[in-house]
Amino acid sequence: AQRVTQPEKLLSVFKGAPVELKCNYSYSGSPELFWYVQYSRQRLQLLLRHISRESIKGFTADLNKGETSFHLKKPFAQEEDSAMYYCALLSSGTYKYIFGTGTRLKVLA
Amino acid sequence: DAMVIQNPRYQVTQFGKPVTLSCSQTLNHNVMYWYQQKSSQAPKLLFHYYDKDFNNEADTPDNFQSRRPNTSFCFLDIRSPGLGDAAMYLCATSKRTGGTQYFGPGTRLLVL
Repeated sequence: AQRVTQPEKLLSVFKGAPVELKCNYSYSGSPELFWYVQYSRQRLQLLLRHISRESIKGFTADLNKGETSFHLKKPFAQEEDSAMYYCALLSSGTYKYIFGTGTRLKVLA
Repeated sequence: DAMVIQNPRYQVTQFGKPVTLSCSQTLNHNVMYWYQQKSSQAPKLLFHYYDKDFNNEADTPDNFQSRRPNTSFCFLDIRSPGLGDAAMYLCATSKRTGGTQYFGPGTRLLVL
C-alpha cells in the first residue's frame, strides 16, 4: 500500500539548532516526493520537491531509497520556520498525491 | 495575484441539509482537486477534474458530489451532511496532473 508516515506530530527546537523533520514512505515504484508547508493563517504551499534537489529557505531533503525516507533538514532553525510541514508522495500511476499527517515545528526563541 | 479562492471560509450547516462549497482559480490550471482534512489527519483526496473529466476516488462516499461548470470554478456538494463530515475542505489546482499543487485557504465546515 502507498503510504506516507510522519512519526512526529510536534517538534520543538530552539532558534539556531538543527532541525530534522522525518518522513518515511511506502511505495512500490519510483517515488516523487515533496514537502509542503503551512504557515500560521496561510495556505498550504510547496516548499520543495526531491527532483529539484534545491535548497529552499535553507531547507534540504534527500531521498534515501534504501531507507525509504525523505527527511527535511535545516542546519540552523529560525523562528519564522515555525509552521506545519507535510510530506507528500506523488503516485506515478494515478498522479495522485498522498499526504502524511504533518509535523508541527515550533522554533523557540 | 493569480490564486485559488474558496468561499465561504467557514460554513455551518445542519445535519442532513445540503451544502455547497465553492472554489475558483485565476491560474487557468487544467486540474482542480478537492481534499477533506479532519483534525490531526492528512488531507484526503476526494476527487479531481482534469478539464471536464471527473475522477472520483474509490472510497469517496456517494454523499459527496462535484461540479466544474468552467475552467475557473469547481463546486463540492454534500447532499446530506452528517456529523462525521465536519472537516476542513481544501481546493487545489495544478497545471497538469502530477504538477505542483496550489491550494486555497480552505473552508471549515461545521455540521450541527
